[in-house]
Amino acid sequence: EPEVTQTPSHQVTQMGQEVILRCVPISNHLYFYWYRQILGQKVEFLVSFYNNEISEKSEIFDDQFSVERPDGSNFTLKIRSTKLEDSAMYFCASGGRTGNYEQFFGPGTRLTVL
Amino acid sequence: AQKVTQAQTEISVVEKEDVTLDCVYETRDTTYYLFWYKQPPSGELVFLIRRNSFDEQNEISGRYSWNFQKSTSSFNFTITASQVVDSAVYFCALSEANFGNEKLTFGTGTRLTIIP
Repeated sequence: EPEVTQTPSHQVTQMGQEVILRCVPISNHLYFYWYRQILGQKVEFLVSFYNNEISEKSEIFDDQFSVERPDGSNFTLKIRSTKLEDSAMYFCASGGRTGNYEQFFGPGTRLTVL
Repeated sequence: AQKVTQAQTEISVVEKEDVTLDCVYETRDTTYYLFWYKQPPSGELVFLIRRNSFDEQNEISGRYSWNFQKSTSSFNFTITASQVVDSAVYFCALSEANFGNEKLTFGTGTRLTIIP
């Protein structure tokens, strides 16, 4: 059964460093999302991506964040200069055809900023 | 703006008891989808159910059942004969009909502990 994969499973970085979180969505999916979950809190929407552009971004998704689909298979989230408060679990999700309303989540990447 | 409220922060029940997790939502759309996800201690999000706003029939899947009531904007989840493996955080979520951007808005979750 196809699944969304994410790498790495855990990333530790120093404050101010750049990180790139990687996701491989399900191959025929068209819609891609990043969500964030600070430890012990709810899952929060960051950004949605369709047709090679951002569809919507939340207020959390400021200029420090960017997304890219560089090669037609990977979907990446870059944080340019990490802050302590960026420590969280980051989930990638992908969805199929429009109106399907079903999102498949990856296992998450736990980001720890020291 | 859409909003999902899970008023129960934590629930503990003894194994084999039934337990109901509450979910209340707010949306201006007439077309929307509601979801439940389970997050076990390992951290992944496990999809449980999706229900569209036009289908108010209750659904049962094994020990799980869902009660959708549009009149009260609620989508409650009941586990019958609970088991220790049901211990997890459960999230209710909402997606509005916005083609090309079907983002999910999550509630704050309910931590369920099943006591052996």
